[in-house]
Amino acid sequence: AQSVTQPDIHITVSEGASLELRCNYSYGATPYLFWYVQSPGQGLQLLLKYFSGDTLVQGIKGFEAEFKRSQSSFNLRKPSVHWSDAAEYFCAVGRNTGGGNKLTFGTGTQLKVEL
Amino acid sequence: EADIYQTPRYLVIGTGKKITLECSQTMGHDKMYWYQQDPGMELHLIHYSYGVNSTEKGDLSSESTVSRIRTEHFPLTLESARPSHTSQYLCASSDRSGNTIYFGEGSWLTVV
Repeated sequence: AQSVTQPDIHITVSEGASLELRCNYSYGATPYLFWYVQSPGQGLQLLLKYFSGDTLVQGIKGFEAEFKRSQSSFNLRKPSVHWSDAAEYFCAVGRNTGGGNKLTFGTGTQLKVEL
Repeated sequence: EADIYQTPRYLVIGTGKKITLECSQTMGHDKMYWYQQDPGMELHLIHYSYGVNSTEKGDLSSESTVSRIRTEHFPLTLESARPSHTSQYLCASSDRSGNTIYFGEGSWLTVV
């Protein structure tokens, strides 16, 4: 069975500082990997995704993530955090089941940004 | 981005009532999903559909039911709400490849 681990429940960074959110996955085949962001009271917005090819993927809002197969990781990074980035971030792995893709989510990382 | 609409956004209802959470998408996506998210927790898939008249149970057992009579519409129903059903319910959809899943803004259900 696939699983996703986000080891950091809460992270606090200062505005303008760099950010890295960790994500480790367990999956027997080539994974589809996603990062979503959820602001309070809102649904999930897709930040970026990895299916294949270049292991460094660029997303929206200045985020990027790097797929490292040897470490089973897909960490999310941003060079300079803005106060509006405060939200909860979910990493997910997708398994393809005969034409469909069902996601397994991590428990999320709550990001707080100090001004 | 897919346009997915969920109503109601917030609902407080008494125990034993029947409720239906509506979900509609305007992108013509074949695949639709319902996820449940308890506060501060991860999301769990409770229902999915690959197309009209197709519905399947997800990874997390749920007392809710779904139907898919039209491509764009995927409502979720609880026949008799209980406090244990208090949660956020997120609807999602994806195109035929199913590779990227887009979410609605969620429906917050509180059963008192």
